[in-house]
Amino acid sequence: GAGVSQSPSNKVTEKGKDVELRCDPISGHTALYWYRQSLGQGLEFLIYFQGNSAPDKSGLPSDRFSAERTGGSVSTLTIQRTQQEDSAVYLCASSLGGRRASPLHFGNGTRLTVT
Amino acid sequence: GDSVTQMEGPVTLSEEAFLTINCTYTATGYPSLFWYVQYPGEGLQLLLKATKADDKGSNKGFEATYRKETTSFHLEKGSVQVSDSAVYFCALSHGTGANNLFFGTGTRLTVIP
Repeated sequence: GAGVSQSPSNKVTEKGKDVELRCDPISGHTALYWYRQSLGQGLEFLIYFQGNSAPDKSGLPSDRFSAERTGGSVSTLTIQRTQQEDSAVYLCASSLGGRRASPLHFGNGTRLTVT
Repeated sequence: GDSVTQMEGPVTLSEEAFLTINCTYTATGYPSLFWYVQYPGEGLQLLLKATKADDKGSNKGFEATYRKETTSFHLEKGSVQVSDSAVYFCALSHGTGANNLFFGTGTRLTVIP
């Protein structure tokens, strides 16, 4: 069983460009999370998907950020008109969901650098 | 509201030293508690967990006991190795959903030979 897979592992983009980050969760996991980790910082929650429910977008820092999850599986995080402050490691995690003690399984992250 | 507070780092220890990383939480009821570890260049992975008071989670020589009376879940290891160098995150899950999941800010541990 493969773990959570994220691509690309590294992305360098110019300020103002759009980027798409991809996450393949563990098969059968209904919950999917996106977090952002800036240098030396903790985890900043971005967005949460659970099954077919409306996503919890309360952590998205601006309307330049959006995410979707197709077919309850793969998720794409899109950042439009990137800014230098968007530079960070973007982590995706999945879990069985619906269970309080269900741990999160994280991917290795996408390191985004905006120049 | 619910929150997790963990010991600020960085922590530097010599190999075979004893490790404690403090974690306290604020929550109503009985949350589940976790320690995650992030090795260099990797994502977070679950290290151990405890789901009720007085439970002890353990893995890879690390232990943490869920203390309801002190609202704590301190991480300990009797003898650290260089390979334990990583960032450690304490976390709390209080129900389901992202608004019931809280992470501490992480503690960086460096073990020197």
